[in-house]
Amino acid sequence: GDSVTQMEGPVTLSEEAFLTINCTYTATGYPSLFWYVQYPGEGLQLLLKATKADDKGSNKGFEATYRKETTSFHLEKGSVQVSDSAVYFCALWDSSYKLIFGSGTRLLVRP
Amino acid sequence: EAQVTQNPRYLITVTGKKLTVTCSQNMNHEYMSWYRQDPGLGLRQIYYSMNVEVTDKGDVPEGYKVSRKEKRNFPLILESPSPNQTSLYFCASSLSGPTTDTQYFGPGTRLTVL
Repeated sequence: GDSVTQMEGPVTLSEEAFLTINCTYTATGYPSLFWYVQYPGEGLQLLLKATKADDKGSNKGFEATYRKETTSFHLEKGSVQVSDSAVYFCALWDSSYKLIFGSGTRLLVRP
Repeated sequence: EAQVTQNPRYLITVTGKKLTVTCSQNMNHEYMSWYRQDPGLGLRQIYYSMNVEVTDKGDVPEGYKVSRKEKRNFPLILESPSPNQTSLYFCASSLSGPTTDTQYFGPGTRLTVL
């Protein structure tokens, strides 16, 4: 079945560092891809999404590009802030009406 | 304010005592879903509903029931809870089904089964 694989965390960075969180997927069709963020003690919020190959989703300085050839959707940010500390989930809609999540990557940004 | 609400937010119970976690959305969304979140496993879908009276199993439906009698409500029922159902539960909704729609998540219900 369809699946999402994320890099293991936690990822610890200093403020203003460059962030990359890797995400790859396995899917039979062409799913929509999402990044969700979970701040401590809260539910998940959509961060960005891309619905077809080569689309770039962006929000709050974060970006991710839907790469069909490498089946990837890596999350990047040029300069992280302490307030970006959270757990980030990569996800896809599969063909059976289910949203499939990766295991999550915890990001800790130090001042 | 557009939102998904869940109640209770925290619940401690004992094995075998039936419980219901309520979920309600005020956005007139057709699609609703329940997930459980466990460390190292991410979120796994329990059940989903495409519309009123239409429900289907997700990846981990064993031990759970749902109903969708009204568009806004989608309660999760544990008929006989067991300790392996101790988890953090999230309800979510979206305007329609899959492809491009954003899912809106509730704040979560932390369940402990002793």
